[in-house]
Amino acid sequence: DVKVTQSSRYLVKRTGEKVFLECVQDMDHENMFWYRQDPGLGLRLIYFSYDVKMKEKGDIPEGYSVSREKKERFSLILESASTNQTSMYLCASSTRTGAGNTIYFGEGSWLTVV
Amino acid sequence: AQTVTQSQPEMSVQEAETVTLSCTYDTSESDYYLFWYKQPPSRQMILVIRQEAYKQQNATENRFSVNFQKAAKSFSLKISDSQLGDAAMYFCAYRSDATGNQFYFGTGTSLTVIP
Repeated sequence: DVKVTQSSRYLVKRTGEKVFLECVQDMDHENMFWYRQDPGLGLRLIYFSYDVKMKEKGDIPEGYSVSREKKERFSLILESASTNQTSMYLCASSTRTGAGNTIYFGEGSWLTVV
Repeated sequence: AQTVTQSQPEMSVQEAETVTLSCTYDTSESDYYLFWYKQPPSRQMILVIRQEAYKQQNATENRFSVNFQKAAKSFSLKISDSQLGDAAMYFCAYRSDATGNQFYFGTGTSLTVIP
């Protein structure tokens, strides 16, 4: 089975802390994504990466950064967590070519910032 | 950016009945793909069904089928013989080669199945 693994399911962090969300995929996919999911807003793209060390901003990159040093790993970083970043974060991966190929998701990381 | 709209935030269906979830999208492209994803409570989002825009025939996967109306830019999901395990959030998504690597998602429809 294909797998996208997010290292933490539930986290509670304090305002101002630096937060790392890690994601690993085992499908040799070129593309990796970080989404934020909030009720009524659906999935909003934060950043995506189409290759190692490459990244592009999504719809809501403010307050976030990413790192992709290896093909299988894509990290989301909250430099200074704020309460409005309390949300569920979804990592996903897909092939670069073939628009008909699906995207695979991790189980999500629930982040609470207090 | 492409726009995908799901106008039904919540839907409910009696067990064994049929329900249709709506999705519309906005695009000027002719070649693209549409997807429905299911996200059960506290579980991973998975692909339910996929439709290629160049195919006139509607996609079907067991109890799940779509009604794809290209001219109307509509892509609804029909769930027949609804089961308790169908209760989930459902997301419609769009992707094309022209949009690069991105998927565009709707805001989701929460489906409740009533025993």
